[in-house]
Amino acid sequence: TQLLEQSPQFLSIQEGENLTVYCNSSSVFSSLQWYRQEPGEGPVLLVTVVTGGEVKKLKRLTFQFGDARKDSSLHITAAQPGDTGLYLCAGELTGTASKLTFGTGTRLQVTL
Amino acid sequence: GAVVSQHPSRVICKSGTSVKIECRSLDFQATTMFWYRQFPKKSLMLMATSNEGSKATYEQGVEKDKFLINHASLTLSTLTVTSAHPEDSSFYICSARAKFGVYGQHFGDGTRLSIL
Repeated sequence: TQLLEQSPQFLSIQEGENLTVYCNSSSVFSSLQWYRQEPGEGPVLLVTVVTGGEVKKLKRLTFQFGDARKDSSLHITAAQPGDTGLYLCAGELTGTASKLTFGTGTRLQVTL
Repeated sequence: GAVVSQHPSRVICKSGTSVKIECRSLDFQATTMFWYRQFPKKSLMLMATSNEGSKATYEQGVEKDKFLINHASLTLSTLTVTSAHPEDSSFYICSARAKFGVYGQHFGDGTRLSIL
């Protein structure tokens, strides 16, 4: 059983469209991170959220942590081809010594 | 610039060979590093937690004798895949968390291991 479920698994959109990726769990996390990974490379950290209800913005990307710290969302406005990649959420459970549990991943493709 | 360096980036070798992968934190000390395995088009699966100066902690289902981890210094952890077979072919990624704290991990660029 996957602890963190992401939806959708795959998303293909055109440049300029908006999208939202969801990361859901029944567990409570002390922090949750979002990463983007390109083929043949390691994941790159985009943001960390630690407070329930927290909203963080990174240019066209908006991240939200659920009030109960069990879920998160990533919203991209006016997607660009450069946003293409695998988006991964990852949560840190309380008392697990920094260990991250990764979500199932969302593969985003943005075309011209 | 990269803060975690992983080497080699790609390895192709014969079945039965042992392969060592290095993970270095470049500008910070890392008491804890992590080793992941990633199958094509899938998410990362944690294999083990590498602790400086002590034994690694392996996740359930990961063979300790197959995947040897050594974290001999605050900047280096190594993963050795012993007597590798084709089913061990995968993308292996390491990460490190800074000793004093920030949330999140810095990842290496991964090692593509192909066993013939």
